[in-house]
Amino acid sequence: RKEVEQDPGPFNVPEGATVAFNCTYSNSASQSFFWYRQDCRKEPKLLMSVYSSGNEDGRFTAQLNRASQYISLLIRDSKLSDSATYLCVVTTVYNFNKFYFGSGTKLNVKP
Amino acid sequence: NAGVTQTPKFQVLKTGQSMTLQCAQDMNHNSMYWYRQDPGMGLRLIYYSASEGTTDKGEVPNGYNVSRLNKREFSLRLESAAPSQTSVYFCASSEQGTSGIKNIQYFGAGTRLSVL
Repeated sequence: RKEVEQDPGPFNVPEGATVAFNCTYSNSASQSFFWYRQDCRKEPKLLMSVYSSGNEDGRFTAQLNRASQYISLLIRDSKLSDSATYLCVVTTVYNFNKFYFGSGTKLNVKP
Repeated sequence: NAGVTQTPKFQVLKTGQSMTLQCAQDMNHNSMYWYRQDPGMGLRLIYYSASEGTTDKGEVPNGYNVSRLNKREFSLRLESAAPSQTSVYFCASSEQGTSGIKNIQYFGAGTRLSVL
């Protein structure tokens, strides 16, 4: 079983829409959670870390549900520039040097 | 603001050839990583180095070797390239010493490798 699983999508949404992605993780010892963004043929870049209590950064909201072992990313008022692949990333208490990446969810925002 | 620099950006090899991918970071980070990314597979960790002088295997180490030359540089070597090693390779670094949400990785621009 993969450490981190994501729906590959693509999610095709119109500009201005609200869209949400989930990511499930298999290891209950998972400790730190992140969302990275990867544009086509580019390197991944940190979008936001995920706090235990959930956190918001502008149009982006991240939530953590430890009981059900998933994290979510909500994007409000989607922009064309939000089109990218969103990667869910997890580390565990056993080794915070090992980052486990999901295969990503592709988002296409259309005019 | 160089961050993480990888060379080369593109490479084509024949089966059995060897090559070394170079990576350097200027952020004074302790930890460095090598990943490969294949379609539909996400990023998979090949090797990592938690600090200068140490290296550890990741998820897919077979066919690769690494050297942590100093704090700045971490190289990945393919001794005898195989078509299955055709992939995009990313180097990354992070500031070790903290778990939690501040343990952020910074990536290089990637090396696109084709093995024929």
